[in-house]
Amino acid sequence: QQQVKQSPQSLIVQKGGIPIINCAYENTAFDYFPWYQQFPGKGPALLIAIRPDVSEKKEGRFTISFNKSAKQFSLHIMDSQPGDSATYFCAASDNNNDMRFGAGTRLTVKP
Amino acid sequence: EAQVTQNPRYLITVTGKKLTVTCSQNMNHEYMSWYRQDPGLGLRQIYYSMNVEVTDKGDVPEGYKVSRKEKRNFPLILESPSPNQTSLYFCASSSSPGTHAGRAEAFFGQGTRLTVV
Repeated sequence: QQQVKQSPQSLIVQKGGIPIINCAYENTAFDYFPWYQQFPGKGPALLIAIRPDVSEKKEGRFTISFNKSAKQFSLHIMDSQPGDSATYFCAASDNNNDMRFGAGTRLTVKP
Repeated sequence: EAQVTQNPRYLITVTGKKLTVTCSQNMNHEYMSWYRQDPGLGLRQIYYSMNVEVTDKGDVPEGYKVSRKEKRNFPLILESPSPNQTSLYFCASSSSPGTHAGRAEAFFGQGTRLTVV
């Protein structure tokens, strides 16, 4: 049973669009919420992460929004580019660094 | 260069033939783990290790074994592989909880694509 639920499974946007990927969790012991980006043939790599004491974190064109009461968080990619085409995984971990991943979202940004 | 190295990258084997996938990290990380990646299921944890000689089951441990005799190495062993273990496998490492950053980034290897026929 997936402890972190991620949607959508796939997403296609035009260049310049703002794809949004959503995740939800149940375990209140989770206190660290990273997003990983994976290109074909590569392992996932950390993109951006947030802790639940803030509601938003922005790094460049990537923003995480976090709603602690709803136990939901999302990734927004501003001004998306074809080079952003990848699979994105949300994750959640507790204070033992035990990390659980969502099912992944395959993003395609069309030129 | 900080990295997690897995070998082999690709492996085709037959049912029942024991195999080992190696994983090595050069970052002196305490925490290491193995995941399998399947379409629509994302990354599921197989086993993890908090430190040398300390291992524990993840979400999908059946059919797998691990060992952690040295800090840098964390091999994944399939004693009797079956076709349902055909998957893409990733090893990851991170420093222990409570680092100065509050939480440790997980570094992933390049993956091992295993096919069991």
